[in-house]
Amino acid sequence: QVQLVESGGGVVQPGGSLRLSCAASGFTFSRYGMHWVRQAPGKGLEWVAVMRYDGRNIYYADSVKGRFTISRDNSKNTLYLQMNSLRAEDTAVYYCARQITPYGDYPDFDYWGQGTLVTVSS
Amino acid sequence: DIQMTQSPSSLSASVGDRVTITCRASQGISNFLAWFQQKPGKAPKSLIYAASSLQSGVPSKFSGSGSGTDFTLTISSLQPEDFATYYCQQYKTYPLTFGGGTKVEIK
Repeated sequence: QVQLVESGGGVVQPGGSLRLSCAASGFTFSRYGMHWVRQAPGKGLEWVAVMRYDGRNIYYADSVKGRFTISRDNSKNTLYLQMNSLRAEDTAVYYCARQITPYGDYPDFDYWGQGTLVTVSS
Repeated sequence: DIQMTQSPSSLSASVGDRVTITCRASQGISNFLAWFQQKPGKAPKSLIYAASSLQSGVPSKFSGSGSGTDFTLTISSLQPEDFATYYCQQYKTYPLTFGGGTKVEIK
C-alpha cells in the first residue's frame, strides 16, 4: 500500500533552517511527481512546491521562492524540502503529496502523508 | 494567480441531507479541479479529480460537476463520517491554489 511519511519538523528560531523529508513506500517513487503543501494552524491549505518525477520542472509558491528548495533522491525513495530564512508565517503542518499518474504532467494529487509540524518562534 | 472561491464557508446539515458546495475560479480552468476532505487533526483526503472523477475507494455518494469557472461537490446523503472541511483546488496553472474551505457541521 502507498505510504508517505514526513519527518524533520520541529521548533526553529526566525532566520533558521530546517530540512523536511518525505519517505515513500508501496509504489515506484521515481515515476511520480511530488508536491509539498502546508497548512498554518487553523487555516486553509497552501501549495508550496512541486518536483517532476525526474527532478525537472520545479515550481514554487511566491511566498517561499528563494528560501525553500525541493529535491528528491529516487534511490532512497525520499522527497525533501530544505527551508532557509524561516519566518513566523512559515509555521504550519507540512504535507507531501503524490501525483496520480506515473510520468504524468498534470499536478493532480491522490495520496497524502500525515504531515510534520514546523514551528518558527523565538 | 487563479483565485478559488468556495461557498458557503460553513453549513449545518442533518444526517441524510443532500449537500452541495460551490467553487468558483477567477478564470477558466477547464476541468482541472480537485476536491479534498479534511477531518480535524488529519491529513487531507483526495475525493475527486478532473472535476468529476472519483478517486479510487471514494464512495459514490460523492460527486463533482462543472467546467470552466463554476464547479460543485455534492454529497447525496450525508453520513456522520462526512462531517469535515472540504476544499477545492485548481491545477490548471502554477501556483496551484485552494479554495478557503467549507466546514460541514451537524445540525
